[in-house]
Amino acid sequence: KQEVTQIPAALSVPEGENLVLNCSFTDSAIYNLQWFRQDPGKGLTSLLLIQSSQREQTSGRLNASLDKSSGRSTLYIAASQPGDSATYLCAARGSGGSNYKLTFGKGTLLTVNP
Amino acid sequence: DVKVTQSSRYLVKRTGEKVFLECVQDMDHENMFWYRQDPGLGLRLIYFSYDVKMKEKGDIPEGYSVSREKKERFSLILESASTNQTSMYLCASSLWGVQYFGAGTRLSVL
Repeated sequence: KQEVTQIPAALSVPEGENLVLNCSFTDSAIYNLQWFRQDPGKGLTSLLLIQSSQREQTSGRLNASLDKSSGRSTLYIAASQPGDSATYLCAARGSGGSNYKLTFGKGTLLTVNP
Repeated sequence: DVKVTQSSRYLVKRTGEKVFLECVQDMDHENMFWYRQDPGLGLRLIYFSYDVKMKEKGDIPEGYSVSREKKERFSLILESASTNQTSMYLCASSLWGVQYFGAGTRLSVL
């Protein structure tokens, strides 16, 4: 059974700092890995999706990497801003028969202080 | 832009009531999902559907059922609501592995 872990559970940084959020998964047989952002009381917004054959994806100030062999993904945020404050979740999609399913980590709560 | 709409943002129901949570997507996606999100437990999959009238149990289906009569609509049903079903419920649809979420319904069962 896939398990996804995100460390740290919470992170507080000053504005302008570059930061890395970590995601690890136990079963390397994944189809893809997706990073989401969730604002308090809201739904999830998809940020980046990395297919199993890819190493990284970039969107603006965000860069996500994937290392299947070590069961790790990272989300790099450059030049952080207060508006980046949110919970960030990663989710792994299995490559087996029920490959519609995502297994989520519990998230990292990011606070960017002005 | 993909739009996934959940019919209610907040609901308050009484124990024993039958509760319907509705979700509609406008992108003709085949796959739709219902999750619940609880502090410390994260998101857990309740049910998903990969086609009209097709459904499959997720990780925590007990106490829930679903209905998918039309492609765009996926309903979650609590046959007899209980206090332990107080939670944030999130609906999603997906295409090519990317899941798109609605804004969520916060359900309180008193």
